[in-house]
Amino acid sequence: AQSVTQLGSHVSVSEGALVLLRCNYSSSVPPYLFWYVQYPNQGLQLLLKYTSAATLVKGINGFEAEFKKSETSFHLTKPSAHMSDAAEYFCAVRMAGGTSYGKLTFGQGTILTVHP
Amino acid sequence: DGGITQSPKYLFRKEGQNVTLSCEQNLNHDAMYWYRQDPGQGLRLIYYSQIVNDFQKGDIAEGYSVSREKKESFPLTVTSAQKNPTAFYLCASSQGTGSYEQYFGPGTRLTVT
Repeated sequence: AQSVTQLGSHVSVSEGALVLLRCNYSSSVPPYLFWYVQYPNQGLQLLLKYTSAATLVKGINGFEAEFKKSETSFHLTKPSAHMSDAAEYFCAVRMAGGTSYGKLTFGQGTILTVHP
Repeated sequence: DGGITQSPKYLFRKEGQNVTLSCEQNLNHDAMYWYRQDPGQGLRLIYYSQIVNDFQKGDIAEGYSVSREKKESFPLTVTSAQKNPTAFYLCASSQGTGSYEQYFGPGTRLTVT
């Protein structure tokens, strides 16, 4: 079975500061990993995804994430936070191969607050 | 523009009534999904469909039903058997499995009183 844990349901940073949102996964086989962002009362938008091509993945809006197999982690970072980054962020995992039907397992989400 | 539409954005119903949420996509995706979102619980899969005329239960299918008569449409019915129907419902579609991401619609917020 696959699962995702996002450490910290709320993260608060100052504008211009580093953003670090943590995600750890468990999967019996190499996974595909995704980060999504959700603004209030909207759907989810893909930020980036890991598909085993490169461990450091760059996404939209200046975000990036590094896949660390030894730590089973896929933390999301951004060097300098902007007010517009305030949103809820979800990490998701899908097992590669096997009989997966494309099911994504989501973490519980991290709400990012950016202070001026 | 290609994308996923969900209607209506807000929906209010009385307890005991069935209600159907619409989901349409023009991305030519084979797979479609319905999720339920509650505060602090992430997204939970209700039903999914990999191809027309076929669908499978997800993790929390009780009290819900779906149909997939057309590739572009995947409506969800919330029945009176669903004990806690008030939630934010999200529809998604995907080109396939594996590394393909899911694209999400804007969601429907259902309130049942």
